[in-house]
Amino acid sequence: EDQVTQSPEALRLQEGESSSLNCSYTVSGLRGLFWYRQDPGKGPEFLFTLYSAGEEKEKERLKATLTKKESFLHITAPKPEDSATYLCAVQFGGSQGNLIFGKGTKLSVKP
Amino acid sequence: EPEVTQTPSHQVTQMGQEVILRCVPISNHLYFYWYRQILGQKVEFLVSFYNNEISEKSEIFDDQFSVERPDGSNFTLKIRSTKLEDSAMYFCASSQQGSNEKLFFGSGTQLSVL
Repeated sequence: EDQVTQSPEALRLQEGESSSLNCSYTVSGLRGLFWYRQDPGKGPEFLFTLYSAGEEKEKERLKATLTKKESFLHITAPKPEDSATYLCAVQFGGSQGNLIFGKGTKLSVKP
Repeated sequence: EPEVTQTPSHQVTQMGQEVILRCVPISNHLYFYWYRQILGQKVEFLVSFYNNEISEKSEIFDDQFSVERPDGSNFTLKIRSTKLEDSAMYFCASSQQGSNEKLFFGSGTQLSVL
């Protein structure tokens, strides 16, 4: 059973068309939920960390929110350069930096 | 901006051969990690390393794998006898304070085992 599930798997948007990506998790004792962006052939690039339900973080056109069992990454008026795979990862319990990743959402933004 | 650098970017090897993947973490970081991503699959944790010893490892990280920090700047992953299923992109990562802290990832080494 997957501990981190992301949906949708792929999302195609027109430039300017706002939407949200979902990340749900089943781990207990969440220590942090992370959002990363991954471009083809590159390593994940850090976007946000959320620690507790109700927390929100923003960066340019991106806003991440966290509830007890899921997180959303809201993309407002996306541009083609926002096209990438967005990864959600969780850290739990007594782990020493071990992140459990979801499969990601591949976002394509067409001009 | 400081970054994690990995060499080589691509490595092709024959099954059964030993490979060493190299990483230079960000200079003031203390925690080091290896992750891997098989094509089309999730990024998976392999091992974390702090204070010159392994602090955590996954089931994937069996006796064929080892890590080392041979000097003050490099961090290496060795696979003793490669298998076809070891083919993947291997990412090195580092962080300043360890758990709960964001990880900085390198661009990866694509390992192909033939």
